[in-house]
Amino acid sequence: NAGVTQTPKFQVLKTGQSMTLQCAQDMNHNSMYWYRQDPGMGLRLIYYSASEGTTDKGEVPNGYNVSRLNKREFSLRLESAAPSQTSVYFCASKVRGRALGNTIYFGEGSWLTVV
Amino acid sequence: AQTVTQSQPEMSVQEAETVTLSCTYDTSENNYYLFWYKQPPSRQMILVIRQEAYKQQNATENRFSVNFQKAAKSFSLKISDSQLGDTAMYFCALIQGAQKLVFGQGTRLTINP
Repeated sequence: NAGVTQTPKFQVLKTGQSMTLQCAQDMNHNSMYWYRQDPGMGLRLIYYSASEGTTDKGEVPNGYNVSRLNKREFSLRLESAAPSQTSVYFCASKVRGRALGNTIYFGEGSWLTVV
Repeated sequence: AQTVTQSQPEMSVQEAETVTLSCTYDTSENNYYLFWYKQPPSRQMILVIRQEAYKQQNATENRFSVNFQKAAKSFSLKISDSQLGDTAMYFCALIQGAQKLVFGQGTRLTINP
């Protein structure tokens, strides 16, 4: 019953360091997403992937890159971390289909602090 | 562009009372889905209820129900017989054909004993 799994759950980075957040889903979903949530705010879309092999920018893509490695996995990379990227990051996936309600399922979040 | 607005940053009610959270949205599409997500202090995003725009009947899930007014682009959440475990942030969200789920700013709901 894994659903959407994100790693790591917590990470502290120094300014300028790079890191990759990993995400995997076992629900055979086509679409996957990366969101960030800053304190007291809603979720903002960074990047999404409608299907394997495709990625598109969301609302706040600057400073990030993504890879849709296969249908299961969608990673988010910070090439040169900045304090403004301190946030909670959520990976999500979506089933396609009217009967299934287009519902998006979320991972548990990754807490990233850049010092 | 699609937008979602939640005009109540915080709300507080007594246990067992009924509370209604407001949400308005804007979209140019005719076919879309609306959601309410709950986020407790653990930060986990939990789906509360969803509504398909093409359905006129309001969705219900146990103590949770919505008032979907398509013409007014309004989608409020009613929680009946509120419980202490309902204390959380609540986010209204919209998804349409472009597949991007857009969130409102959230309402912090506190249920007092």
